[in-house]
Amino acid sequence: EVQLVQSGAEVKKPGESLKISCKVSGYRFSAFWIAWVRQMPGKGLEWMGIVYPDDSDTRYSPSLQGQVTISADKSRSTAYLQWSSLKASDTAIYYCARSPSGFYGMDVWGQGTTVTVSS
Amino acid sequence: DIQMTQSPSSLSASVGDSVTITCRASQTFNDYLNWYQQRPGKAPKLLIYAASSLPSGVPSRFSGSGSGTEFTLTISSLQPDDFATYYCEQAYIHPFTFGPGTKVDFK
Repeated sequence: EVQLVQSGAEVKKPGESLKISCKVSGYRFSAFWIAWVRQMPGKGLEWMGIVYPDDSDTRYSPSLQGQVTISADKSRSTAYLQWSSLKASDTAIYYCARSPSGFYGMDVWGQGTTVTVSS
Repeated sequence: DIQMTQSPSSLSASVGDSVTITCRASQTFNDYLNWYQQRPGKAPKLLIYAASSLPSGVPSRFSGSGSGTEFTLTISSLQPDDFATYYCEQAYIHPFTFGPGTKVDFK
């Protein structure tokens, strides 16, 4: 069974760093894109970026470039989303999702990681 | 960036109704248009990819059509599980972008 299992909820203070994870199983990690999607409280879905684990080719939404880092570790079959300095506006649910082609949809999703940033 | 809009933003319907949601893009592209369903408190689920293709396991009451700048999602006979929010997504060019969503609730 294909699964994407995300790390647990986080509560952080503004200015702190954070790295959340998305561990996959049930398929060859290197062969599929992994995307990250943000959902702020009560809002819609926002595409953040995508990584191809085989060669670490990474694309970002321009609105988030420089604010977050997306990466993948083939040896751990895990993708990551990290911040060096959190802001209150980073409070959201973050989903990772697999994209077989990069273009035709995200077919398997993680359960989401809730990040709360508050002083 | 390609901007996506959806109409309506919300609709009320009854079990058995047929509903149609429209998604419009700020620039034209072929079929790199996907639809997702999100139930409250749950992760999104892929409903339609490539504008009109159903992933395995998605009921046939869901259908998608369109090309260019206008796409539609139709639910032919609404079931209780279908009351949710629906999002379109363009996957033609990075950054991919979602529409603002259409909430389908009980009349």
